[in-house]
Formats: sequence, structure tokens, C-alpha cells
Amino acid sequence: SQQGEEDPQALSIQEGENATMNCSYKTSINNLQWYRQNSGRGLVHLILIRSNEREKHSGRLRVTLDTSKKSSSLLITASRAADTASYFCARRTGGGNKLTFGTGTQLKVEL
Amino acid sequence: GAGVSQSPSNKVTEKGKDVELRCDPISGHTALYWYRQSLGQGLEFLIYFQGNSAPDKSGLPSDRFSAERTGGSVSTLTIQRTQQEDSAVYLCASSPGQGIGEQFFGPGTRLTVL
Repeated sequence: SQQGEEDPQALSIQEGENATMNCSYKTSINNLQWYRQNSGRGLVHLILIRSNEREKHSGRLRVTLDTSKKSSSLLITASRAADTASYFCARRTGGGNKLTFGTGTQLKVEL
Repeated sequence: GAGVSQSPSNKVTEKGKDVELRCDPISGHTALYWYRQSLGQGLEFLIYFQGNSAPDKSGLPSDRFSAERTGGSVSTLTIQRTQQEDSAVYLCASSPGQGIGEQFFGPGTRLTVL
């Protein structure tokens, strides 16, 4: 079963609005990564935040991490129709190398 | 440069048949991963290779599933005696070094077991 969840499961917004997606997890992490998946480009890495970091930015993306609450959020500012996709958080835990993915948030950005 | 490639892109097979899925990682990437994604779900880890060895096989769902990697490059995931519940998209990813950061994913193989 998946270790953690994203919420909401689905999100529909208008172009230009901001989109916020949340990710919760259950065990300690080394890092947390966000990926985007759409039919055109497959699964693509967006941003990585380490366990000792609290916030990270990349272009229109802002990721926060609260290890005390075991949660992370991904904010997409000034959304575009091209941002329509499923967004997954993935955790690297312990000494392992695998990523544990959540169930994803389906984002739809409407014109 | 070239990304991760997988073949075939689609595979339809009959229940009970064996299938082989292939992954060509990015050149020079020593870490290689197989994941499975069922319809509308997140990714489920199957197996991790570092070079030709597989230190983590914990995600393989049954002994019908096996994988190998040769020459530190190409990997093959084999599913024997396929079942309908094996239907999913099988994704391969690679990363440089010990794989602690970003993983680069291939386009996947969509497997349908009739």
C-alpha cells in the first residue's frame, strides 16, 4: 500500500490561479521529491527538498516541508493550462534507494 | 542526450503466458529501478539495481516476477504465467551514483493481460 497520501485527490482551477497540493507521510525521510505525470511527457521530476530544508523554490514552484508534521506542500503560482497533470510526492527513506510514491493529485487548469 | 527508453510500449498477452519488458537506462547511470502503476494509482516499487546487482527486491509481488541487469546497462523484467492483476504500466527509472536524488523515468510499458 502507499505510504502517505496527497490531497486533494483532484483539483480544478482557472488559469492564473494558484494551486496547492499537500502530501503527508508516516516515516522519517531523507528527502522528498515532487513529480508530474501527464500523457505527453510521462513522469518528470520537478523539485527535491532535503529533510533539513524547510522551503525551496524553482520557477513558479514552491515546496515546503514540515518534518514535525510529516507533511509537504507544493504550490504552483500563476497556473497555466499546460500545468494540467497528476502530481505525486515521493519519499526516499532510511538507507534505501527506492522512492515511495503517494497516490497523486489530479490538477486540471481551465482556460 | 537520450533518455530512458522502454520496449515494447504496449504489450497485450493472454493469461498464463510469459512476458519480457526491457529498459535501457541513461548511459552512465548506475542505479536502475522498476515500478508498477495500476490505473489511477501511484507508483509501486518493484526492484532496484546498483550496477548488475539487486540489493533491494522487496517490491516484487510474487516469485513469478524476476529481473536482471547485464553490463550495468540494459535491464529485463520478466513476468511468468501472467495473471489479469498483472495488468499495469511498468515504469523504469535510472539515476546516477547511489540514486539519492532525482530519478529519470522512461515512458513505460503498458501491459494488458486478457
